[in-house]
Amino acid sequence: SQQGEEDPQALSIQEGENATMNCSYKTSINNLQWYRQNSGRGLVHLILIRSNEREKHSGRLRVTLDTSKKSSSLLITASRAADTASYFCATGRGGGATNKLIFGTGTLLAVQP
Amino acid sequence: NAGVMQNPRHLVRRRGQEARLRCSPMKGHSHVYWYRQLPEEGLKFMVYLQKENIIDESGMPKERFSAEFPKEGPSILRIQQVVRGDSAAYFCASSPDNYGYTFGSGTRLTVV
Repeated sequence: SQQGEEDPQALSIQEGENATMNCSYKTSINNLQWYRQNSGRGLVHLILIRSNEREKHSGRLRVTLDTSKKSSSLLITASRAADTASYFCATGRGGGATNKLIFGTGTLLAVQP
Repeated sequence: NAGVMQNPRHLVRRRGQEARLRCSPMKGHSHVYWYRQLPEEGLKFMVYLQKENIIDESGMPKERFSAEFPKEGPSILRIQQVVRGDSAAYFCASSPDNYGYTFGSGTRLTVV
């Protein structure tokens, strides 16, 4: 079954607002990653957070990880129309095991200009 | 470094034909992963390869699908006798260390 589940499934906001997406997973992980996918395109890696980290920042992105609740959130601040895309979380076991990523079903973000 | 290169970008096959999807990993990356994305869904893991070895093929259908990553040349995902349900986007990713992935732009397979 799918490891990651994002909510909401779809989110529509105005330019300049913040967007928060959540991801829950089921089993133990080594790392959690967030990706963006524009319609009909490939995936762009946004940020990786390891299981021993609680928060990470990259530009307008802020990711949190709560391993006790098996959940993560992605915050995009001061959103822009160009942020319109689908956002996926993916969990990995890492290390010597296959770090195959288990993807959630994604959140479709629409930023209205 | 041109990134992960996949070709073709779009592939149309009739039912029963073979589809060959190619993936050239980033220079210096020896780990290759294949994922499939059905419309409106997330990516599903298919297979993980290192040079000349299949490490994990737990996500790959047992029949009609095969993958290889030869010592020289790109990784190939082969689908024999394609059916309509094989229509999807197939993404390849490479990694130098089994952690950080770089994805290609994908091959969109349409079976008619």
